[in-house]
Amino acid sequence: AQSVAQPEDQVNVAEGNPLTVKCTYSVSGNPYLFWYVQYPNRGLQFLLKYITGDNLVKGSYGFEAEFNKSQTSFHLKKPSALVSDSALYFCAVRDGSTGFQKLVFGTGTRLLVSP
Amino acid sequence: NAGVTQTPKFRVLKTGQSMTLLCAQDMNHEYMYWYRQDPGMGLRLIHYSVGEGTTAKGEVPDGYNVSRLKKQNFLLGLESAAPSQTSVYFCASSENRGGELFFGEGSRLTVL
Repeated sequence: AQSVAQPEDQVNVAEGNPLTVKCTYSVSGNPYLFWYVQYPNRGLQFLLKYITGDNLVKGSYGFEAEFNKSQTSFHLKKPSALVSDSALYFCAVRDGSTGFQKLVFGTGTRLLVSP
Repeated sequence: NAGVTQTPKFRVLKTGQSMTLLCAQDMNHEYMYWYRQDPGMGLRLIHYSVGEGTTAKGEVPDGYNVSRLKKQNFLLGLESAAPSQTSVYFCASSENRGGELFFGEGSRLTVL
């Protein structure tokens, strides 16, 4: 069964500094990896995904993520944080094997960007 | 485009009452899902559907039932609500099994 770990409950960063939100995963087959963001009292919004191809994936709002197969990681990054990036971030993984494989979410990391 | 719409947004129930949450999507997606979100636990899949007329159990299906009579609608029912079902419920849809999920705004349910 697939699983996701987000080791940090909260990440604090100053505006303008680079940010990283960590994610590691475990799947039997090829991983389909996703990042979502949730603003207060809102649903989750898709940021980016890795299915195959380049290990560096670019997504919405200037975010990117790097797929590292050997370390089974898919960390979310942004070169320069904005206060408006403050939100709850979820990493998710699906096993890419045939048939339906559910999308499993991590427990979330709260990003707080201070002015 | 409305995307994924959930109703109601808020509801308070007494233990033992029943209710139905409605999810509607206007993107012609085949796949639909119901998740619950609880503090410190992320999102957990309750039930899902891979097409009109189909439903299947997710991780935490007990106490819930679902129906997908029309492609655009996915209903989540609680026959006899329990305090453990106090949560925020999210509906989502996807075009196919590998695609990203599109989420509704959530429905906050409190069971007293």
